[in-house]
Amino acid sequence: ETGVTQTPRHLVMGMTNKKSLKCEQHLGHNAMYWYKQSAKKPLELMFVYNFKEQTENNSVPSRFSPECPNSSHLFLHLHTLQPEDSALYLCASSQRQGQETQYFGPGTRLLVL
Amino acid sequence: QKEVEQNSGPLSVPEGAIASLNCTYSDRGSQSFFWYRQYSGKSPELIMFIYSNGDKEDGRFTAQLNKASQYVSLLIRDSQPSDSATYLCAVNIAGGTSYGKLTFGQGTILTVHP
Repeated sequence: ETGVTQTPRHLVMGMTNKKSLKCEQHLGHNAMYWYKQSAKKPLELMFVYNFKEQTENNSVPSRFSPECPNSSHLFLHLHTLQPEDSALYLCASSQRQGQETQYFGPGTRLLVL
Repeated sequence: QKEVEQNSGPLSVPEGAIASLNCTYSDRGSQSFFWYRQYSGKSPELIMFIYSNGDKEDGRFTAQLNKASQYVSLLIRDSQPSDSATYLCAVNIAGGTSYGKLTFGQGTILTVHP
């Protein structure tokens, strides 16, 4: 595997379900990011981890819970989501948080029913 | 005022023409600027980054930065139908933090017709 991978690629869940999104980067980077991309809206930064420490929470509702066990893995735990949370969730990584270029994974397309 | 603004388009150009994509940003302290391309249903992929005023060329792509005017652009020469995509401008906005935050514009849809 190379680059940034995400699983699952597609997810359908009910509002009472609990699910997790997984991201793994094989680039030796130290910063990882979660973004949300909704139709006709700009990419929205959700969370940032730099050297496994959370450095940014962009006022994200608590029904989204991130976890970063090491610099290569990032999870987004989902529970009691709303239909408006349906979107493409993108993971990205960079050498470190700051000026460096971010590289994106393929995304998870989430549909909440 | 939005932090990063792009004309959403669509911008339509004929094959072989130059496509010009523009982006303005609000934070004068921004130091790094990126252009990403996103095909429908896919994730963004980096085309170019630019840090200094002036032009930066990479193949058919040229990024132009004018910090005084808070303006960054992307020129695509000899446009091909395969260039049809949404182009995202991203700017590292300091926002009072030590790291900054990569902030994206809403993207410009480019269509290159044969």
